[in-house]
Amino acid sequence: GQSLEQPSEVTAVEGAIVQINCTYQTSGFYGLSWYQQHDGGAPTFLSYNALDGLEETGRFSSFLSRSDSYGYLLLQELQMKDSASYFCAVTSGTALIFGKGTTLSVSS
Amino acid sequence: GAGVSQTPSNKVTEKGKYVELRCDPISGHTALYWYRQSLGQGPEFLIYFQGTGAADDSGLPNDRFFAVRPEGSVSTLKIQRTERGDSAVYLCASSSDGLAGSTGELFFGEGSRLTVL
Repeated sequence: GQSLEQPSEVTAVEGAIVQINCTYQTSGFYGLSWYQQHDGGAPTFLSYNALDGLEETGRFSSFLSRSDSYGYLLLQELQMKDSASYFCAVTSGTALIFGKGTTLSVSS
Repeated sequence: GAGVSQTPSNKVTEKGKYVELRCDPISGHTALYWYRQSLGQGPEFLIYFQGTGAADDSGLPNDRFFAVRPEGSVSTLKIQRTERGDSAVYLCASSSDGLAGSTGELFFGEGSRLTVL
């Protein structure tokens, strides 16, 4: 089976940097994705790592270590609009399997 | 359409009734997924279609749940004899390739919120 662990909640202030960790156990691992979901909205894709290392996309970066079954999402220069739930997801076989999500609250 | 469209956006039904939820994926996307999301949880995989066929239905919780995609585009998720525990947001997603792993990117609809009384 598959399992993903990520913190349930993170709080930060505007302008700060936040790291959301994700550890996973899965068979047939292809890659690790990150999604953002605002309340009542659809999950939207942020980033994907298939190989070890850091991927940077604007204020967001994502890291993967396949040997450690570990990854993280780094959010820089936090803004109020970044308040949302963030999900890590592993590609195992034909589908994405999601973690339970981390609720990020950004305050001014 | 420009994005994944799901109807209805909200559905309230009584326990024991039959429900159909519709998904219209992004044009040209061959892969279509159904997920279920309960409050405070991540999306839970239900079923994956590649074209018209269900390539992976291992996430369907029981035989009350069934999904079809007869022409390889629109899909319908069907729930028989609904139970209160079926209450959740049902999300549909599509992607241009068959294996989500090639890019890790799925395009999700806004979901259908099902409430079973």
